Amino acid sequence: GAGVSQSPSNKVTEKGKDVELRCDPISGHTALYWYRQSLGQGLEFLIYFQGNSAPDKSGLPSDRFSAERTGGSVSTLTIQRTQQEDSAVYLCASSSWQVQETQYFGPGTRLLVL
Amino acid sequence: DAKTTQPTSMDCAEGRAANLPCNHSTISGNEYVYWYRQIHSQGPQYIIHGLKNNETNEMASLIITEDRKSSTLILPHATLRDTAVYYCIVRVANNNAGNMLTFGGGTRLMVKP
Repeated sequence: GAGVSQSPSNKVTEKGKDVELRCDPISGHTALYWYRQSLGQGLEFLIYFQGNSAPDKSGLPSDRFSAERTGGSVSTLTIQRTQQEDSAVYLCASSSWQVQETQYFGPGTRLLVL
Repeated sequence: DAKTTQPTSMDCAEGRAANLPCNHSTISGNEYVYWYRQIHSQGPQYIIHGLKNNETNEMASLIITEDRKSSTLILPHATLRDTAVYYCIVRVANNNAGNMLTFGGGTRLMVKP
């Protein structure tokens, strides 16, 4: 079946501009995670959605970052007034109780802030 | 989540089996062993997971010792496309509070012709 998809695959923007990154999780997966990964580094957790519960935003690095998940499916991560240090690969993962919450990742969005 | 220890790097000849070890001596009874890999410039890819029994799927086999303090991921016939960083993680499953993944250093597997 279809995996997790993300768009755009690459995004180049100028410092100070806003960007929106999209994630389409695997159909039926109730949990959705956003991470980011800087070059050569590990995963940095950003935000977690589980069903209709309030999201866990504890990993968002600043108030310039926000995310929403509409209808329990598609999620959008928004970065306002981008900074050069926001440059990274932004990864989305989804999971389901039916497979022990194994997280399946999308291909990521490579963001470059000039 | 319990800590894992993996060798930094390994080489494997193409067509041979790649055996990647992982130590997780502080694993708890309700923690699963997961393996992911990350090929250069791609998102992490789930490979396999298990609790205490050995597991096999179309990608790999997972051998967990009886005391569960270590495990081995086996790629039976490694190809050049298996060159990647392999991460061993132990984590509780079905935790409604969320289980954010953290990857340690992993093992950089280089498959050579």
